[in-house]
Amino acid sequence: QQPVQSPQAVILREGEDAVINCSSSKALYSVHWYRQKHGEAPVFLMILLKGGEQKGHDKISASFNEKKQQSSLYLTASQLSYSGTYFCGTERRAAGNKLTFGGGTRVLVKP
Amino acid sequence: NAGVTQTPKFQVLKTGQSMTLQCAQDMNHEYMSWYRQDPGMGLRLIHYSVGAGITDQGEVPNGYNVSRSTTEDFPLRLLSAAPSQTSVYFCASSRDRVQPQHFGDGTRLSIL
Repeated sequence: QQPVQSPQAVILREGEDAVINCSSSKALYSVHWYRQKHGEAPVFLMILLKGGEQKGHDKISASFNEKKQQSSLYLTASQLSYSGTYFCGTERRAAGNKLTFGGGTRVLVKP
Repeated sequence: NAGVTQTPKFQVLKTGQSMTLQCAQDMNHEYMSWYRQDPGMGLRLIHYSVGAGITDQGEVPNGYNVSRSTTEDFPLRLLSAAPSQTSVYFCASSRDRVQPQHFGDGTRLSIL
């Protein structure tokens, strides 16, 4: 079952913050975050395992709320290079541990 | 290291033709996957493999076959191309399930 990402798109000014959410109605084992720039392959950002841990990648961090089956990606003090489409991928034990991606959140950071 | 190499980068087929998309990785990764990405959409899993000789279906396996005879190679075969299979195809590999996936540059496939 595909996770739901929100918002679908966000426009930021350089230096502003944003939050991208990824939700599932089923119990999750892990959440993966990737960023894809136009015409390129997705690039790995981070993986969160169940347990509510928070991770960081430069000024991008994420959390995983196991009880809510939701992960949030935080873009802090956004830079022009943060523009792209962000995808979450979720893994469920009951689904054979296949990685299922959400529809993506398009982020545009303007000067 | 080359990472994940996909060939060809572009391909145009006629309806009914068959072809094989090649994927090779040089990182000795056990896990390999094939995804398709339609314009403006997310990635959908076609088939995946957890090691040589082991493959399984993803979300959208119909019309595609895979095999994994070696750790390095994971080719994707389109049996009888249809316009609905026009998409960008990405191959990815990882050391295991909860490790980062490394994506190839993709194959842009158009079926007329």
